[in-house]
Amino acid sequence: QKEVEQNSGPLSVPEGAIASLNCTYSDRGSQSFFWYRQYSGKSPELIMSIYSNGDKEDGRFTAQLNKASQYVSLLIRDSQPSDSATYLCAVPSDNYGQNFVFGPGTRLSVLP
Amino acid sequence: DAGITQSPRHKVTETGTPVTLRCHQTENHRYMYWYRQDPGHGLRLIHYSYGVKDTDKGEVSDGYSVSRSKTEDFLLTLESATSSQTSVYFCAIGLGLGRNQPQHFGDGTRLSIL
Repeated sequence: QKEVEQNSGPLSVPEGAIASLNCTYSDRGSQSFFWYRQYSGKSPELIMSIYSNGDKEDGRFTAQLNKASQYVSLLIRDSQPSDSATYLCAVPSDNYGQNFVFGPGTRLSVLP
Repeated sequence: DAGITQSPRHKVTETGTPVTLRCHQTENHRYMYWYRQDPGHGLRLIHYSYGVKDTDKGEVSDGYSVSRSKTEDFLLTLESATSSQTSVYFCAIGLGLGRNQPQHFGDGTRLSIL
């Protein structure tokens, strides 16, 4: 069973700071990685995808992938109270890349 | 926006009764998924479908069955509901035909079994 691990948190950061969320995975052959944001009582929403080693930036979000070390991280710059949510990491669970295993999520709290 | 609708949004029922949840999509996506989400367990795959009448089991399929008779509808059935199946159920669609494509989730169904 392929595994995805995340620190459950809560991770508390002050407004305007950088929030750093980490995810480690067990399958060295994984090719794609996704970050989802889930507000309390809502469904997961895709915010970032990354396929290659290095950094990918989208607005205030940066995903970082290190396949050799088997971790992927999400940085949120200039954190806002509206970023307070649970962040889920997803990694393929099969070689076809059609099914995914989700981490348990990290709960982020941005304090005004 | 990938149109995906789950129904009902909330349901309360009794142990031993059958329950069917419906997921409807409007954009002809091939892959559809049913997950359950519980505190401490995160999202777990119940069943998925890769086409009409093509389905397969996920990590937590015991006690659940699915059917997909049309591209747009994916049904999840609890034949005889148990209290352990109280959960939030999410349907998702795969956004592309190729590998490594992300999934888009419906709004969820909150199911309580008393």
